[in-house]
Amino acid sequence: QKEVEQDPGPLSVPEGAIVSLNCTYSNSAFQYFMWYRQYSRKGPELLMYTYSSGNKEDGRFTAQVDKSSKYISLFIRDSQPSDSATYLCAMSEDNYGQNFVFGPGTRLSVLP
Amino acid sequence: DVKVTQSSRYLVKRTGEKVFLECVQDMDHENMFWYRQDPGLGLRLIYFSYDVKMKEKGDIPEGYSVSREKKERFSLILESASTNQTSMYLCASKEPGKADTQYFGPGTRLTVL
Repeated sequence: QKEVEQDPGPLSVPEGAIVSLNCTYSNSAFQYFMWYRQYSRKGPELLMYTYSSGNKEDGRFTAQVDKSSKYISLFIRDSQPSDSATYLCAMSEDNYGQNFVFGPGTRLSVLP
Repeated sequence: DVKVTQSSRYLVKRTGEKVFLECVQDMDHENMFWYRQDPGLGLRLIYFSYDVKMKEKGDIPEGYSVSREKKERFSLILESASTNQTSMYLCASKEPGKADTQYFGPGTRLTVL
């Protein structure tokens, strides 16, 4: 079993839809949770960062962490074609980059 | 607004060649990383460096070496390229102890024939 599981997609939604992206993990010691967005032929960019459990909102994006279920989510409201990208989750027991564990990514297409 | 740059976007090499991938960051970060990204596998850490001339192996260091002679520059070396090293290579830098400060370069897509 991989440490971090993520549905690779592709996920296609119409413009304006609410998108839910998810990752599950097995290591209960993870405390730092990140979502990265990666456009085609570009490097990943940090989108959301959460420490421990709870929700975090930034504009149209909401990150949720449920440590009891070992499950994290990224919600995108009012999705736009410019949201079309691959979304990677990453997590770690500490905030040292060498221990980050990345999911394989979910490819999202938002259709106009 | 350039933060992390990589020397090549696309590279084609032959089996057995020595390959150099270079990465430069302009944020004065102490930590730098080399990952490879393959479909279905996510990002896997090859090597990281926490200071000039300091390096540590990541999860998949076999067949690779690194060099960090200056703080802003971190090089990945494939001593003798093989076809199974065909991949996307991503460099990143980060402030130590701050999970939300990791920046990636645009990546180098390496093909080994």
